[in-house]
Amino acid sequence: AQKVTQAQTEISVVEKEDVTLDCVYETRDTTYYLFWYKQPPSGELVFLIRRNSFDEQNEISGRYSWNFQKSTSSFNFTITASQVVDPAVYFCALSGALSSNFGNEKLTFGTGTRLTIIP
Amino acid sequence: NAGVTQTPKFRILKIGQSMTLQCTQDMNHNYMYWYRQDPGMGLKLIYYSVGAGITDKGEVPNGYNVSRSTTEDFPLRLELAAPSQTSVYFCASSYVRPGDNSPLHFGNGTRLTVT
Repeated sequence: AQKVTQAQTEISVVEKEDVTLDCVYETRDTTYYLFWYKQPPSGELVFLIRRNSFDEQNEISGRYSWNFQKSTSSFNFTITASQVVDPAVYFCALSGALSSNFGNEKLTFGTGTRLTIIP
Repeated sequence: NAGVTQTPKFRILKIGQSMTLQCTQDMNHNYMYWYRQDPGMGLKLIYYSVGAGITDKGEVPNGYNVSRSTTEDFPLRLELAAPSQTSVYFCASSYVRPGDNSPLHFGNGTRLTVT
């Protein structure tokens, strides 16, 4: 079975500090996809990034960066120089791939990490 | 382009009442999903559909029913509302399966309270 663990329930950082959100996953698939979604206070879910299991290169997009380490089954998300627009619940998610026996029609979500920015 | 539209945004039900949560998408997506989000929890999949006329159960299907008569619409039915169904419900769609590297597009959610 697939499982996503976000051990940090809530994190508070001072504005302009960096913050890393942890994500650890479990899967028996050899090919899979990892996602991060953002849920701001308004409630909608916004897609941030997807990463396939074959690509362990770190990715940077503006103030966001992602560190995928297959050896530790982790897909951590770092926000650099946090801003007042960043408060949200951030979800990590996992899905199987085309050849998966476990149903790649679905995403398995972690429980989310609530990020608060202290001005 | 409206994306994924859910109605209503809020609803209060009495125990035993029934209701239908509506979801429609205008992106011609084949895959549609219903998730529920309980406080402090992640999203749990209720039902999903891979195309018109095809539906399947997710992790937490008990107490719910769905239908998919068209590509655009995927309503979620609660027949006998129970307090345990108090939650925020999200509808989502994708062009192909998430495992084919396709992100989900989410609606804005329906906040349901059963008292």
